[in-house]
Amino acid sequence: DAGVIQSPRHEVTEMGQEVTLRCKPISGHDYLFWYRQTMMRGLELLIYFNNNVPIDDSGMPEDRFSAKMPNASFSTLKIQPSEPRDSAVYFCASSLKRRRTEAFFGQGTRLTVV
Amino acid sequence: AQSVTQPDIHITVSEGASLELRCNYSYGATPYLFWYVQSPGQGLQLLLKYFSGDTLVQGIKGFEAEFKRSQSSFNLRKPSVHWSDAAEYFCAVASNRDDKIIFGKGTRLHILP
Repeated sequence: DAGVIQSPRHEVTEMGQEVTLRCKPISGHDYLFWYRQTMMRGLELLIYFNNNVPIDDSGMPEDRFSAKMPNASFSTLKIQPSEPRDSAVYFCASSLKRRRTEAFFGQGTRLTVV
Repeated sequence: AQSVTQPDIHITVSEGASLELRCNYSYGATPYLFWYVQSPGQGLQLLLKYFSGDTLVQGIKGFEAEFKRSQSSFNLRKPSVHWSDAAEYFCAVASNRDDKIIFGKGTRLHILP
């Protein structure tokens, strides 16, 4: 398996634009997590899914953020409109039977909003 | 709510020296504990994990960690570090009540030649 695949690896956008980050989890994994990493706040859990259903989105910072998982092999994190303070590295991770196995992380998407 | 504290933001050790990275967690029940490593520009890679049983767990790359319930700690150790161990290390805790994995803020390890 190729592991968790995120795209794009880097994204530079202007303030106010819509940004969509993409994630392909490891095949067969039933949990998917979106994290945001910044120097100030470290790794924050934004939202996670179980079997494509959002379970907890309490970490989503604002209504400008939304996430979907239309099927078991694809998820998106969308920011609309984007703001400079959204600049961060966004990680997607997946796991199998979440409580007993570790989460496997993608390489991350470095987002810069100018 | 569960939380993870890594009290050391940066640690510097000489190559060949021993290493201990501290991690304390706050959780009301038996947690599931992890250590991850992140190299620059990379995602996180699991070093080791603890779910139950032997409180001393072995991981990859020569790392080990010890779960001490009385101290709510899960410190990471390595007897002799290599220059390639320079990276950021994250301790994480998972809940058996919900499905969240919560990370500490990380400890950046610097290796002196």
